[in-house]
Amino acid sequence: NAGVMQNPRHLVRRRGQEARLRCSPMKGHSHVYWYRQLPEEGLKFMVYLQKENIIDESGMPKERFSAEFPKEGPSILRIQQVVRGDSAAYFCASSLDLGMGRGTEAFFGQGTRLTVV
Amino acid sequence: DAKTTQPTSMDCAEGRAANLPCNHSTISGNEYVYWYRQIHSQGPQYIIHGLKNNETNEMASLIITEDRKSSTLILPHATLRDTAVYYCIVRPSGGSYIPTFGRGTSLIVHP
Repeated sequence: NAGVMQNPRHLVRRRGQEARLRCSPMKGHSHVYWYRQLPEEGLKFMVYLQKENIIDESGMPKERFSAEFPKEGPSILRIQQVVRGDSAAYFCASSLDLGMGRGTEAFFGQGTRLTVV
Repeated sequence: DAKTTQPTSMDCAEGRAANLPCNHSTISGNEYVYWYRQIHSQGPQYIIHGLKNNETNEMASLIITEDRKSSTLILPHATLRDTAVYYCIVRPSGGSYIPTFGRGTSLIVHP
């Protein structure tokens, strides 16, 4: 998992507050994916971004959730007006390209554990 | 993407080989087989991938059947630290792709 940096590692928010999760991909990687993992459940895809573009957000809840990957800086997953059901581990992954052979694997960060109280 | 089927759980004695099977009977010619694992509370970790030839790296070996309808991930000398959920994923060689994780196999390595 070396290289993909997520922060904070742990985040506690009260209901109604905003949560901002940051992901710095591996150097040279231009594809970023966000996943959510509820306790004792599998990884669920949320959104796939390339620099400055959202490619696929089919797994993202329609309200309160947004993601961006600006030209400069980390990718941000933003959750507005958090509710208890948003408590989960959020993982970010990055990949170099989607072509053949090497460089296509996705590398994951250690995740941000969001707790809504 | 081709659907994969894996056993829900397996166990293995420490020091022995762990052989994790995966069925992907609908795999198409340009789809690779990827393996990841997730150790408890950590982010998923890439292990290995292959197309049709067997592959080996410092972590594991991947054996793909000749018809490519199934594969086996082999951890040659399992350790307690290999206890994790192992995911088999099939993905195309090009174009946009989003790694999608199923339930995986929960491998428990016991002393």
